[in-house]
Amino acid sequence: EIALTQSPGTLSLSPGEGATLSCRASQSVRNNYLAWFQQKPGQAPRLIIYGASSRATGISDRFSGSGSGSGTDFTLTITRLEPEDFAVYYCHQYGNSPYTFGQGTKVEIK
Amino acid sequence: QVQLVESGGGVVQPGRSLRLSCAASGFTFNNYGIHWVRQAPGQGLEWVAVISYDGANKYYADSVLGRFTVSRDHSKTTVFLQMNTLRTEDTALYYCAKDVGQYYEIPLYIDSWGQGTLVTVSS
Repeated sequence: EIALTQSPGTLSLSPGEGATLSCRASQSVRNNYLAWFQQKPGQAPRLIIYGASSRATGISDRFSGSGSGSGTDFTLTITRLEPEDFAVYYCHQYGNSPYTFGQGTKVEIK
Repeated sequence: QVQLVESGGGVVQPGRSLRLSCAASGFTFNNYGIHWVRQAPGQGLEWVAVISYDGANKYYADSVLGRFTVSRDHSKTTVFLQMNTLRTEDTALYYCAKDVGQYYEIPLYIDSWGQGTLVTVSS
């Protein structure tokens, strides 16, 4: 099973600032099959990024994803934070069964 | 639009069984895999299981392997999660979610979610 470790656990930022979220896999994720989800309180998660760097339909270009060549280090970058961006973000690998999620990074208003 | 409605949650004693349902609409059900993902109260997401579009392939998290079984009924456009030998640590909100890929033998990632059904395992 591939374990995903997200850092930091919490990111305290002000609207307008940028956010960098990290997700590290315990072993290489096949084909960079790594997604990012956003979840707000009381809501189901929403797909933000798939394939490490492709934005889902309707997602702002302020969100971008990237991955290292090793297939173990992934980053979600959010530029110019808007009030609606404050939420918990989860990375998720679907390259190897069993699929797994990271423990989440909370982006909160400073 | 895609609609996924979970049902069947409730309070159950440890060691007992429960069957969850996920009724799907708004897309061609027969063409897509369906995932189950759970979230314990105040905790993060945990992927549980997935069934391919044709039901031929099923994959499970290590934590539920041998206790949970996923199945689908195309005539009812419904996916089921049979949960046996339940433990207190199975207490969670259970989401069903649609896979993105059509006719994929090995499902990929989730692109739509239901609102979840709550399962509480307690004596």
